[in-house]
Amino acid sequence: QKEVEQNSGPLSVPEGAIASLNCTYSDRGSQSFFWYRQYSGKSPELIMFIYSNGDKEDGRFTAQLNKASQYVSLLIRDSQPSDSATYLCAVNMYSGGGADGLTFGKGTHLIIQP
Amino acid sequence: DAGVIQSPRHEVTEMGQEVTLRCKPISGHNSLFWYRQTMMRGLELLIYFNNNVPIDDSGMPEDRFSAKMPNASFSTLKIQPSEPRDSAVYFCASRGGASSYEQYFGPGTRLTVT
Repeated sequence: QKEVEQNSGPLSVPEGAIASLNCTYSDRGSQSFFWYRQYSGKSPELIMFIYSNGDKEDGRFTAQLNKASQYVSLLIRDSQPSDSATYLCAVNMYSGGGADGLTFGKGTHLIIQP
Repeated sequence: DAGVIQSPRHEVTEMGQEVTLRCKPISGHNSLFWYRQTMMRGLELLIYFNNNVPIDDSGMPEDRFSAKMPNASFSTLKIQPSEPRDSAVYFCASRGGASSYEQYFGPGTRLTVT
């Protein structure tokens, strides 16, 4: 059974600092990895995806993947109060985005303190 | 472009009643996913369709749940009979193709079963 684990938080970070969110997964067959942001009462929205070991940067966001350790992380640089949300880690078995659905972690609640 | 459309946005019903949730995916998307989100279990995949065909319904919790996709622009998720433990937010998501990474989520239907 696929499992995705995240620390539920809350994770409190001062404005302007780096927020580091972590996720581990149980299925070694997992191929692609996603970070979704979900504001309270809203639907999830994709922030980043990664499928190769190493780092992937997009603006203030960096996703990091280590398949040997079954670990994926999201770094948010220059954190802003608008980054306060729940961040969901998700995994998929297929590298091409996925012929199947995603397995989600329960999310980490991030609070950026002004 | 319109995003994923779900109706109703809120549903309150009594235990034992039939509930039907509706979803219209983004035009041109050929994969559709139904998820359920609760505080206890997080966001869980219930069932997904590729080209209107159900591919994996292993996440459907019980025989009380059923889903259909009669055409490319419409899907339903039915619960009969409903129970209080079915109370959750139900999300529909669609994706443009097997090589597309992003699943676009609808606004969700908040179901309360009393």
